[in-house]
Amino acid sequence: AQTVTQSQPEMSVQEAETVTLSCTYDTSESDYYLFWYKQPPSRQMILVIRQEAYKQQNATENRFSVNFQKAAKSFSLKISDSQLGDAAMYFCAYRSARGSQGNLIFGKGTKLSVKP
Amino acid sequence: SAVISQKPSRDICQRGTSLTIQCQVDSQVTMMFWYRQQPGQSLTLIATANQGSEATYESGFVIDKFPISRPNLTFSTLTVSNMSPEDSSIYLCSAGGGSTDTQYFGPGTRLTVL
Repeated sequence: AQTVTQSQPEMSVQEAETVTLSCTYDTSESDYYLFWYKQPPSRQMILVIRQEAYKQQNATENRFSVNFQKAAKSFSLKISDSQLGDAAMYFCAYRSARGSQGNLIFGKGTKLSVKP
Repeated sequence: SAVISQKPSRDICQRGTSLTIQCQVDSQVTMMFWYRQQPGQSLTLIATANQGSEATYESGFVIDKFPISRPNLTFSTLTVSNMSPEDSSIYLCSAGGGSTDTQYFGPGTRLTVL
């Protein structure tokens, strides 16, 4: 069974600085998707960024980028120029590329605080 | 992307009663999912709602406790039956998967059982 591990329960960053959130996963599959979701206090799960495992190029989305290391099964999220609105819980998630298993497997989350 | 709405957004219920949560997607989707998020915890999949067939439940979740309906490609309901305080959680609906690799989430339903 696949597992997702986020080893940082809490992180803090100064406004305008850069922070990296860690995520590792375990799978025997070669084709899958990885995601970072953000959950602010409003509890709405918001997709931040996604990565297809077959792509070597790291995904980027404005101030958000990932460092995807397939061999190491690592998928970290870098937030540049941190803003107060980035404060939230961040969840790393795995999804098999097999069509019959479309559900997400989540890590336990990292609570990010942004200091003004 | 899909826009997903859920009703109710929150409810406070008495022990032993049941609550049905509705999930509406603004477009037809192949797969819909129901997750539970207990206070301060991550998301755990309850079941996959399949259109035209029985829902597929994860280990630890049973149909008698969490009956699910999926009458069409844009709508699903989750019922939390015979509730106890341990059922107090946020319940989230999501849609996507299949040929669409991304899942989008509804705003969640915060359930408190007294």
